[in-house]
Amino acid sequence: QKEVEQNSGPLSVPEGAIASLNCTYSDRGSQSFFWYRQYSGKSPELIMFIYSNGDKEDGRFTAQLNKASQYVSLLIRDSQPSDSATYLCAGNSGGSNYKLTFGKGTLLTVNP
Amino acid sequence: NAGVTQTPKFQVLKTGQSMTLQCAQDMNHNSMYWYRQDPGMGLRLIYYSASEGTTDKGEVPNGYNVSRLNKREFSLRLESAAPSQTSVYFCASSELEGPLDNEQFFGPGTRLTVL
Repeated sequence: QKEVEQNSGPLSVPEGAIASLNCTYSDRGSQSFFWYRQYSGKSPELIMFIYSNGDKEDGRFTAQLNKASQYVSLLIRDSQPSDSATYLCAGNSGGSNYKLTFGKGTLLTVNP
Repeated sequence: NAGVTQTPKFQVLKTGQSMTLQCAQDMNHNSMYWYRQDPGMGLRLIYYSASEGTTDKGEVPNGYNVSRLNKREFSLRLESAAPSQTSVYFCASSELEGPLDNEQFFGPGTRLTVL
């Protein structure tokens, strides 16, 4: 069973701090990884994706991928209360560009 | 553009009843997906359609059938609903811009309760 593992949290950070969300995956065939944000009662929305080793930055968000360690992370700088949500990590199933395997999500709370 | 739309938003069924969840997208995407989301289980793929005319099983297909009616529409059918199918169902669509890019756009979800 190919798995994507996330710490379910909750992760609580003060406003303005850096929030660090982590994800590990078991499928070495997975090539690309996606971070989705899901507000309570809403549908997931994509924040960013990454497929190369290293860092990828987009505004306050930085995704990091380490294929050797099978580890993906998302850093949120200058966290805001509006960032409070569940963050879902997903990886494409090796051999298929269409199938995404999602982690169970990490609940982030940013305290004013 | 409405993006991905789903109907109904809420539904309550009795065990053994059947129903069809409807999904439509107006982004001209080739690929469409059905997921279910249960507390503590994350999103799990039920079926997907890589392109019009094709459908494939995902992680949890048992108890479901799908129809890719045309490029815009992808429906999910429960032939004989069971309490274990109580869940939130999300439809999604994507256009693979490259071999590594599968940004999926999600509909608002259908909250289904089976009594």
